[in-house]
Amino acid sequence: EDKVVQSPLSLVVHEGDTVTLNCSYEVTNFRSLLWYKQEKKAPTFLFMLTSSGIEKKSGRLSSILDKKELSSILNITATQTGDSAIYLCAVGGAAGNKLTFGGGTRVLVKP
Amino acid sequence: DTGVSQDPRHKITKRGQNVTFRCDPISEHNRLYWYRQTLGQGPEFLTYFQNEAQLEKSRLLSDRFSAERPKGSFSTLEIQRTEQGDSAMYLCASSLDRGIGYEQYFGPGTRLTVT
Repeated sequence: EDKVVQSPLSLVVHEGDTVTLNCSYEVTNFRSLLWYKQEKKAPTFLFMLTSSGIEKKSGRLSSILDKKELSSILNITATQTGDSAIYLCAVGGAAGNKLTFGGGTRVLVKP
Repeated sequence: DTGVSQDPRHKITKRGQNVTFRCDPISEHNRLYWYRQTLGQGPEFLTYFQNEAQLEKSRLLSDRFSAERPKGSFSTLEIQRTEQGDSAMYLCASSLDRGIGYEQYFGPGTRLTVT
């Protein structure tokens, strides 16, 4: 059974700090790893990483996939209060159809 | 707005009643997924469609749950004889299968409360 574990469960930082979120996975026939941001609504897509695209960056957010270690990190630099959310990691494997999600990391950015 | 839409956004029902949710995916997307999310957890896969064909169902999907996508466009998820354990957020997502990997875009969800 596919499995995704995220750490830490939660963290509190102040504006301007940098945060690093971790995601490790066990999946049959890995195809992709996705990061989502979830506020008080549905998950919003951030990045997708695959064997052909192991690094992504968008503004203050960046993510790297380590296929050897079966893990990924999501970095947020110069955090803002608007970054406060739950960050979800998901992997697609096997037939590549369904996503298996981790439990999420809750980030709180204080002013 | 061309995103994924879901209806209703909230549903309160009494135990034993049947409920039906609707999802309209992004128009050009051929895949549609249903997930369930409970408080403090990540979404859990329930089922998915490629066009009108239902290709996979999770073990979480008991025989009280049924999903359809009759014309390969919108989808419905019905829960019969609801139980309190069915209370959750039901999320719909869609994607365009490009063979390599694909991002799934989520709708706003339907929050079900069974009393």
